Amino acid sequence: KQEVTQIPAALSVPEGENLVLNCSFTDSAIYNLQWFRQDPGKGLTSLLLIQSSQREQTSGRLNASLDKSSGRSTLYIAASQPGDSATYLCAVEAGNNRKLIWGLGTSLAVNP
Amino acid sequence: EADIYQTPRYLVIGTGKKITLECSQTMGHDKMYWYQQDPGMELHLIHYSYGVNSTEKGDLSSESTVSRIRTEHFPLTLESARPSHTSQYLCASSEGGGGLQETQYFGPGTRLLVL
Repeated sequence: KQEVTQIPAALSVPEGENLVLNCSFTDSAIYNLQWFRQDPGKGLTSLLLIQSSQREQTSGRLNASLDKSSGRSTLYIAASQPGDSATYLCAVEAGNNRKLIWGLGTSLAVNP
Repeated sequence: EADIYQTPRYLVIGTGKKITLECSQTMGHDKMYWYQQDPGMELHLIHYSYGVNSTEKGDLSSESTVSRIRTEHFPLTLESARPSHTSQYLCASSEGGGGLQETQYFGPGTRLLVL
């Protein structure tokens, strides 16, 4: 059974720091891995989608990597800002029905 | 910019009432999803649809039902609300077809409180 784990559960950093969020999954048979952001009381915003054949994707200050063989992905945030404060969720698309299996998220606080 | 809407945003209702949570998207996406999320817990897929007249139950057992009569509309109904249904309900859609088209776009969610 596919399981997704995110470490750390919470992270607090000063503004300007570069940081890395980790996501691991137990079964390498995935279609893609997606990173989302969730702000309190709101829905989710898609940040990056990495297809199973890709190694990384970049969007602005965000860079996500995928190592399918080891079952790991990292989300790198450069020069963090207070506006980056949110919960970051990782999900893998897998199975015959191509459903998303979700991690519990990393709660990020960037302090001014 | 994704255009997916959910109403109501917040709902407080008494036990036994019938409720319908609305979800609409204007992107013409074939795939739509309903997730349930409790505080501090992961998202659980409760229903999904791959197109008009197609609906499937997700991984989490749910007493709710859904319908997909039109591409843009995917309402979720609880025939008799109970306190155990208190949760946040998130609707999402995706274009489908593989690759980046599998990106899911989410609505703002409905927070339901059943007294």
